[in-house]
Amino acid sequence: GNSVTQMEGPVTLSEEAFLTINCTYTATGYPSLFWYVQYPGEGLQLLLKATKADDKGSNKGFEATYRKETTSFHLEKGSVQVSDSAVYFCALSDNAGNMLTFGGGTRLMVKP
Amino acid sequence: KAGVTQTPRYLIKTRGQQVTLSCSPISGHRSVSWYQQTPGQGLQFLFEYFSETQRNKGNFPGRFSGRQFSNSRSEMNVSTLELGDSALYLCASSLGQEGEFFGPGTRLTVL
Repeated sequence: GNSVTQMEGPVTLSEEAFLTINCTYTATGYPSLFWYVQYPGEGLQLLLKATKADDKGSNKGFEATYRKETTSFHLEKGSVQVSDSAVYFCALSDNAGNMLTFGGGTRLMVKP
Repeated sequence: KAGVTQTPRYLIKTRGQQVTLSCSPISGHRSVSWYQQTPGQGLQFLFEYFSETQRNKGNFPGRFSGRQFSNSRSEMNVSTLELGDSALYLCASSLGQEGEFFGPGTRLTVL
C-alpha cells in the first residue's frame, strides 16, 4: 500500500534560518504529492503540490520538488518567520479519487 | 468563495451513543472526503463521496458511515461510540485532482 514518511519533530529554528523537512513516499504508479500546514486549533491548509516527476511546487516562499528517482518531496524555505510555526504534513494521492495518505507530521517552532 | 464548513465544532458524547457530523463543501465541489486525526494514529482517511456515491473507503469499522446529498453536503455517522473514537474529524472538498481543501474540523470527545 501507499505510505509517507517524514522526519520527526519538533524542528526548532531561529527566525531567518533555512528550513528543510524531509519527506519520502512509497506508492505504485505516479502519485500526486502535497504539503499541508496546520496551525493550532485549525484544519489543514494546502501549502503546495506537484503532480508529476521534476515538478516544483511553491507558495509563500516554500518549495518542494517531486523527485521520482529518490521518491522524495522535501519541503524547503530559505528564511523562516515566527508565523511559520505550525505542523507540516506531507501527503500523496494515487489519483484513484481523492484519498490522501499522510505522513506523521512535523512540528516546526521558529523562535524570534 | 466560502470555505468548507463543519458543524458542530465541538461535541461531547458518552460511550454507546451515536453522533452525526455535518460538512458543507466549497460551492461547486462535488467530492467530499472525511479524515480522522488523533495524536496516536495521525491523519487517517475514512471515506470519500462523489455525486452521492461512496468512491473510496478507508480501513474503519462499519460503525463509521457517511452519505452525501444532491447538493454535495455530506454527513458522517458514528454509532456505538467508543473512547477511542475521540478525535478531530476533518472534512475536505475537491473539484478534481488539484488537492483537497479542509474545513476546521469537529472535535469529538467520548466520555
